[in-house]
Amino acid sequence: GAVVSQHPSWVICKSGTSVKIECRSLDFQATTMFWYRQFPKQSLMLMATSNEGSKATYEQGVEKDKFLINHASLTLSTLTVTSAHPEDSSFYICSARVLGQGYNEQFFGPGTRLTVL
Amino acid sequence: RKEVEQDPGPFNVPEGATVAFNCTYSNSASQSFFWYRQDCRKEPKLLMSVYSSGNEDGRFTAQLNRASQYISLLIRDSKLSDSATYLCVVSYYSGGYQKVTFGTGTKLQVIP
Repeated sequence: GAVVSQHPSWVICKSGTSVKIECRSLDFQATTMFWYRQFPKQSLMLMATSNEGSKATYEQGVEKDKFLINHASLTLSTLTVTSAHPEDSSFYICSARVLGQGYNEQFFGPGTRLTVL
Repeated sequence: RKEVEQDPGPFNVPEGATVAFNCTYSNSASQSFFWYRQDCRKEPKLLMSVYSSGNEDGRFTAQLNRASQYISLLIRDSKLSDSATYLCVVSYYSGGYQKVTFGTGTKLQVIP
């Protein structure tokens, strides 16, 4: 299957700093990437849908000025958590969608574990 | 009502047993349905898509009931390696973009 990478895999930062997470599709082009957040023992929550070359579409309740998404190329999307606070500590996962004749699949990155002190 | 609901479990079953999970969804406009598997502290991986006609992949069978708005996953001859959380995923297109909703997952523990 298609491979999606994320970097960094984990990060610890101080409250008030900004953290950038990269999501790359390694062997395919992804016109659409998704960013999810997962708190312990909860399901993945979609934060935003990112289309290459256009503004991301944020889910209700997700602050677009706090979670900046850039999808500048067909293989790279970035999520920047600005002025991170302890409540932003979570597992952030991206996925890239592959659309084809009769199929629609998302391939997930390995996730980034963010801890804000 | 949640958009996608699953019994969180855990389902503790012995090796070789057959186990079934259900997932209900509230949006009748939903178009695509999937089962994902997520191991502890790992990313979800697609297990199978769910088609209207139902589909089978080895020991796994998925079915969709649009009238009752639920999908199911049946695992036959359970293996220890099947222990994981199984996520039901429902999506639809709205305003030109895809809305994807994950269920909270059903935890399966296969015991020797």
